[in-house]
Amino acid sequence: QVRLQESGPGLVKPSGTLSLTCAVSGFSVSSVTWWSWVRQSPGKGLEWIGEIFSSGSTNYNPSLKNRLTISIDNSKNLFSLNLASVTAADTAVYYCTKSAAYNLDYWGQGALVTVSS
Amino acid sequence: EIVLTQSPGTLSLSPGERATLSCRASQSVNRRYLAWYQQKPGQAPRLLIYDASARATGIPDRFSGSDSGTDFTLTISRLEPEDFAVYYCQLYGDSPPMYTFGQGTRLEI
Repeated sequence: QVRLQESGPGLVKPSGTLSLTCAVSGFSVSSVTWWSWVRQSPGKGLEWIGEIFSSGSTNYNPSLKNRLTISIDNSKNLFSLNLASVTAADTAVYYCTKSAAYNLDYWGQGALVTVSS
Repeated sequence: EIVLTQSPGTLSLSPGERATLSCRASQSVNRRYLAWYQQKPGQAPRLLIYDASARATGIPDRFSGSDSGTDFTLTISRLEPEDFAVYYCQLYGDSPPMYTFGQGTRLEI
């Protein structure tokens, strides 16, 4: 069974860097698939952040591209998100997901990250 | 950039009734790129429908998807109490490659 689990600091200071890791079990991140991050601000809808392929190729949301880095560690079966220069607008629940041909078929439970001093 | 508009914003129905949720794309899209998700409070979204009309694994057959041009519809034939949630449509775009979500429809009792 495929499982994804986000982890990382729940509180980040303004102008700092938000860093999250997604540990995957039941499926190899080195398989031929994409892995995505999606976020949801409190009480709001879903926003796709970006994705990474097992080879390391990435696609990013143009609105976040300048601050975003997504990486993958095939040896540890995980992928990571780094979002720089954060503000209160980046406060959200961050989900890691597995892609399956134009949709997102498995999701982590989500990690709330608050940007505040 | 393609925009997805969901309607209505909120739908109030009772168990046993039929629910019809709409998602309209701002331009023609590949139906294979359209999916629907269900999200309950405090939970991650769950994939319901992909390729506009295919049910994901384990999804009851009371959930169905259809499309007509740029209009996509999620139908729940007979509402169960556990179906009251927020529903999102999602589109994959390949220029640039990215996922876009509708703003959601809240289905409430």
